[in-house]
Amino acid sequence: QQQVKQSPQSLIVQKGGISIINCAYENTAFDYFPWYQQFPGKGPALLIAIRPDVSEKKEGRFTISFNKSAKQFSLHIMDSQPGDSATYFCAASRFSNSGYALNFGKGTSLLVTP
Amino acid sequence: GAVVSQHPSWVICKSGTSVKIECRSLDFQATTMFWYRQFPKQSLMLMATSNEGSKATYEQGVEKDKFLINHASLTLSTLTVTSAHPEDSSFYICSASRQSSYEQYFGPGTRLTVT
Repeated sequence: QQQVKQSPQSLIVQKGGISIINCAYENTAFDYFPWYQQFPGKGPALLIAIRPDVSEKKEGRFTISFNKSAKQFSLHIMDSQPGDSATYFCAASRFSNSGYALNFGKGTSLLVTP
Repeated sequence: GAVVSQHPSWVICKSGTSVKIECRSLDFQATTMFWYRQFPKQSLMLMATSNEGSKATYEQGVEKDKFLINHASLTLSTLTVTSAHPEDSSFYICSASRQSSYEQYFGPGTRLTVT
């Protein structure tokens, strides 16, 4: 059962445009929502993360928008660059007997064209 | 800070043999380490969670006798794939986190190919 649903599956954006990736979750016990960037053949790298007590977090060109009532969160990449072309995963986490295990979305393959 | 390494980065083995993958936190103490597997163009699937000095907790459907996990120190966890078969071929990724921390830092992954 996919606990975090991510869309779109793939995305093509022109250089300088805004890339938007959306995620939704059901479990209200989740209290940590990170985004990871993964290049082919590499491990994921943490981009930005948010806790549910804030509605938005911005770090450079990356912004997370969080809607607690709708149980949705999204990643916005401003001024997208070809170097941003990668797969992006959203995730959600809560404390359990296994520690803070991450539940990943299925990923979005982003292509930024020159 | 928060660098995680994996060794080897890729390995090819014959069916029926065992393979050990190491995961090290280089500049912090990792009280919890996680092991994931990822098939091409798919998401990461959590296999197991290990806390230093304790037995690993395996996710449903993961054979604990096939995927042996040892977290002997605060900087090292190992995953041993026993009696590997071609269907075990995958990208194995570990992550590590500090005590009571949400943040997981991922290793670069190990590509396992079983022939």
